[in-house]
Amino acid sequence: DAKTTQPPSMDCAEGRAANLPCNHSTISGNEYVYWYRQIHSQGPQYIIHGLKNNETNEMASLIITEDRKSSTLILPHATLRDTAVYYCIVRVSGGGADGLTFGKGTHLIIQP
Amino acid sequence: GAVVSQHPSRVICKSGTSVKIECRSLDFQATTMFWYRQFPKKSLMLMATSNEGSKATYEQGVEKDKFLINHASLTLSTLTVTSAHPEDSSFYICSATGGLVLDTQYFGPGTRLTVL
Repeated sequence: DAKTTQPPSMDCAEGRAANLPCNHSTISGNEYVYWYRQIHSQGPQYIIHGLKNNETNEMASLIITEDRKSSTLILPHATLRDTAVYYCIVRVSGGGADGLTFGKGTHLIIQP
Repeated sequence: GAVVSQHPSRVICKSGTSVKIECRSLDFQATTMFWYRQFPKKSLMLMATSNEGSKATYEQGVEKDKFLINHASLTLSTLTVTSAHPEDSSFYICSATGGLVLDTQYFGPGTRLTVL
């Protein structure tokens, strides 16, 4: 699976949009971008994933650049409960039988 | 469905004892289950992958005789830490695929193991 690069930490004001970047310049054509988050002392939570089109669900939006070398996770109206470590993971399509490789992620801190 | 549970949520045991951790998919049948370990301030590390009715596949450096995995049904996998030592103290997290979104892993809440 391709390697990802994320900033180690970010701050965001409560109520504002949180934009978390991820670089995955070596991504292959059949690799998806997945986002998970881990709130302190809990298991990771699936947020969203995409291949090349932008995606939106009830939690977040995922914007993938046209060349697919980077993406941005957007939390539209951040709350204090969104404080967590966010992981961007690239994995091959159909890789349901493969474990995930977690990097260091981005520690997002929502400020009141 | 995409709910995964773990039991117990935390356990404290003496050195040399064995500890069993259960992982259940509550509202779906899990095609594959995974076990991860997370040390303080570190990322999750994959320990092993298991499918129902077959032997688990362990990652390099993970001792299969120490971390016994049993995947008896499509909704239950267990991890037994045998002869636990203080260096086994960690946060153990399971995940499963087969839920709401294809090929997506859904994680349990984790089990905090402390070995005295």
